[in-house]
Amino acid sequence: GAVVSQHPSRVICKSGTSVKIECRSLDFQATTMFWYRQFPKQSLMLMATSNEGSKATYEQGVEKDKFLINHASLTLSTLTVTSAHPEDSSFYICSARPGRALLLEQYFGPGTRLTVT
Amino acid sequence: AQSVTQLDSQVPVFEEAPVELRCNYSSSVSVYLFWYVQYPNQGLQLLLKYLSGSTLVKGINGFEAEFNKSQTSFHLRKPSVHISDTAEYFCAVTLGPGSASKIIFGSGTRLSIRP
Repeated sequence: GAVVSQHPSRVICKSGTSVKIECRSLDFQATTMFWYRQFPKQSLMLMATSNEGSKATYEQGVEKDKFLINHASLTLSTLTVTSAHPEDSSFYICSARPGRALLLEQYFGPGTRLTVT
Repeated sequence: AQSVTQLDSQVPVFEEAPVELRCNYSSSVSVYLFWYVQYPNQGLQLLLKYLSGSTLVKGINGFEAEFNKSQTSFHLRKPSVHISDTAEYFCAVTLGPGSASKIIFGSGTRLSIRP
């Protein structure tokens, strides 16, 4: 089956520093990747949609300058949290959609837990 | 715009009992529906999906769901639950194919199984 990995699985950083999270599709090409944020005991909130080779589309209320998304290849997307603050602490999950237009599923990564101290 | 409502935030049941997790959606156009499961500190795993055809959809781990267009519902059921089914369950909807289609998630239902 389709596998999506995320790295790192957990990261602790100091306030004011930047953190990069990688999302990789291991056995398929993902023309579209999605980044979600999940607060404890809450649902997933879509942050942005990224298509390979183009700028990401951010959801309303998401700061594009704070959450930098790069989808440089068909198997890799990165989310960089710049100048992180404690309120950015959360569980970040990526998902990837294969390039076949009829396939509606998204394959989710295992998530990255970010703690900003 | 489409939305998803999961009516129960928590559902406690005894082991081997049946369970139903409720999901209602709203949309002015045809939708595609999903149920995902999330185990603690993990990503989401697809349980089942409804795209078209038979309204009764069978998924993994013995779960099934029925699409009811008149009631705009997509309730998830399992006839006999196991301790390992303890997890968070999310109902989700998307408008259709194409890379621009986003999945909108419900607020989730925490299923806890008592021995």
